[in-house]
Amino acid sequence: QSALNQPASVSGSPGQSVTISCTGTNRDIGSYYYVSWYQQYPGKAPKLIIFQVSLRPSGVSYRFSASKSGNTASLTISGLQAEDEADYYCTSYTRDNTQIFGTGTKVTVL
Amino acid sequence: QVEVVESGGGVVQPGKSLTLSCKVSGILFSNFAMHWVRQAPGKGLEWVAVIYYDASNKFYGDSVKGRFNISRDNSKNTVYLQVNRLRPEDTAVYYCAKDGQGVGIYMDVWGKGTTVTVSS
Repeated sequence: QSALNQPASVSGSPGQSVTISCTGTNRDIGSYYYVSWYQQYPGKAPKLIIFQVSLRPSGVSYRFSASKSGNTASLTISGLQAEDEADYYCTSYTRDNTQIFGTGTKVTVL
Repeated sequence: QVEVVESGGGVVQPGKSLTLSCKVSGILFSNFAMHWVRQAPGKGLEWVAVIYYDASNKFYGDSVKGRFNISRDNSKNTVYLQVNRLRPEDTAVYYCAKDGQGVGIYMDVWGKGTTVTVSS
């Protein structure tokens, strides 16, 4: 099964908003409300920032929001800050009871 | 506070086997599914396997199916990943992650990873 499709990179100036898309199929994103998003800094472990499409774990900034429509999920970072510069990955539960990750998006703060 | 700690990585020859361990503390371990995820050097995250809270179900990614085996010992708060018939492309940092529920829905707490290098 191929990875979910994400843009390789997005960028924005401090204070702006950026949105990362994550496109799957009706075997994963389109069938379940089990989409998660992870933030990863270089050389560090991933960190959960969104689960079940749009829920934020305790301690995660309100500037991170997410949604899904059809086979595509989206993560928006509002009020972009320098600390948001990292790699972001989506993942979805699938009909095979597995997880599938997105290709990853590098966010650059200009 | 939940802590996830992996161990067992190293340098191994192609075709050989290795067992990775992951010890979890700070939670009722037997209530949660556990995942393994890997990341090859310079590459993205790849989901490897999940085991349900009671070990009743195990599922694997296509690239490791038939070669890797996930197991758990709830009495030791530990999950294992036996990696067999290793290939150079299995070289990666292997992360262990706790699921947010008893079945494999999302990964909410991650360890720092253990590195596996497959090389002759």
